[in-house]
Amino acid sequence: DAKTTQPPSMDCAEGRAANLPCNHSTISGNEYVYWYRQIHSQGPQYIIHGLKNNETNEMASLIITEDRKSSTLILPHATLRDTAVYYCIVRGGFGNEKLTFGTGTRLTIIP
Amino acid sequence: DARVTQTPRHKVTEMGQEVTMRCQPILGHNTVFWYRQTMMQGLELLAYFRNRAPLDDSGMPKDRFSAEMPDATLATLKIQPSEPRDSAVYFCASGLDGKWRPQHFGDGTRLSIL
Repeated sequence: DAKTTQPPSMDCAEGRAANLPCNHSTISGNEYVYWYRQIHSQGPQYIIHGLKNNETNEMASLIITEDRKSSTLILPHATLRDTAVYYCIVRGGFGNEKLTFGTGTRLTIIP
Repeated sequence: DARVTQTPRHKVTEMGQEVTMRCQPILGHNTVFWYRQTMMQGLELLAYFRNRAPLDDSGMPKDRFSAEMPDATLATLKIQPSEPRDSAVYFCASGLDGKWRPQHFGDGTRLSIL
């Protein structure tokens, strides 16, 4: 699976949009980009995934660049409960469903 | 919402003892994963199953760890004998196979080996 690079930490003011970047320059054509987050003492929580088109769900939006070498997770109106470690993961196809977690970005929402 | 259930949530025991952790995957999910999280190593995959068959257990110390799925509603991870370095949070996740399907995690078993 392609390696990902994320900033170790970020702060965001409550109510503002949080934009979390991820680089995955070695991604291959059949690999998806997944985002998970882990709130303290809980298991990782699935947020969103995408292949090449931008995606949006009730939690977040995912913007993938046209060359697919980077992506941005957007939390549109961050709340204190969004404070967590966010993991960007590139995952292969069928037969290789395992997730390889990096160190993620520790996002702190400031009141 | 359907959830992955792990038991026990916490376990403290002495080294040398057998430890069994249990996971109930989400009903209908056919892939099950065991991960371990420590401060030093982060989250790492130990083993995973598809349709109850083990597919990859390369992340697991074979001499003391074993993972099984006695049936579709139960996955177990055993450590025998346990050692202090096994202290960690162990997470189970389940999903449906297919390259875009997300995994859903339980809240883990926090294991302390004294």
